[in-house]
Amino acid sequence: GIQVEQSPPDLILQEGANSTLRCNFSDSVNNLQWFHQNPWGQLINLFYIPSGTKQNGRLSATTVATERYSLLYISSSQTTDSGVYFCAVVLDDKIIFGKGTRLHILP
Amino acid sequence: EADIYQTPRYLVIGTGKKITLECSQTMGHDKMYWYQQDPGMELHLIHYSYGVNSTEKGDLSSESTVSRIRTEHFPLTLESARPSHTSQYLCASAPAGSRTSGNTIYFGEGSWLTVV
Repeated sequence: GIQVEQSPPDLILQEGANSTLRCNFSDSVNNLQWFHQNPWGQLINLFYIPSGTKQNGRLSATTVATERYSLLYISSSQTTDSGVYFCAVVLDDKIIFGKGTRLHILP
Repeated sequence: EADIYQTPRYLVIGTGKKITLECSQTMGHDKMYWYQQDPGMELHLIHYSYGVNSTEKGDLSSESTVSRIRTEHFPLTLESARPSHTSQYLCASAPAGSRTSGNTIYFGEGSWLTVV
C-alpha cells in the first residue's frame, strides 16, 4: 500500500523561529491535507492541498504532486503552535496518515 | 467549521462492559471513518463506510463493530471492553467524490476511553 513518511519526527524550537515540515508519499494521490493536533487531541484542518501553494497567516503549504512531497512552513513560531502535525493522503477513498511531526515551541 | 460530533468526549468504564461511541455529522457526507490513536502517536484506521449499509474493516484489527443505518450516524460498539481498548477514538467524514477529485476530511473532537 501507499507509504506516507513525515520528517522530522520531533522538532524543538525557540519561540520566533521558522520551521519546515515534510511529507513524502509513495504513490499518486487525489487529496493531501495537513492537520494540527492540539494537546487536547483535537485534529484541526490546516490545509487541503493536493497541489500548489496556499498560505494562511503564518502558515503556508506547498505540494509538488509530480515529485510526491508536501511541505508545511511555520513562520515566527508561537508556543500555541506546539503539538503534532500530521499529513494525510487519500487513495481509493482510504485516508492514510503519516506518523506525525511532534513540534515543541519553547517560550 | 465542521459539523461532526462525538459523544461521549471522556468515558471511564469497567472491564467487560459494553460501550457505544457515537459519531454524527450534519454535512450529508457519504464517507465516514473511525481511527484509534494513543496520545501523540499515529492514527490507525479501524473502520470505514462509503454510505448507508456499507462498512469495512480498516488496517488495524479491532474488536469493535460499527453500523451505518443512516447517512449522518456511524456508531462504534465494543461488546466487552478491556484495558487494552484504552485509547482515543476519532471519527471523521468526507463527501463522496470521484477518485480524480479530492475532498476535505473533517474530524470530530474525539472520544477518550479508559477501561479499568
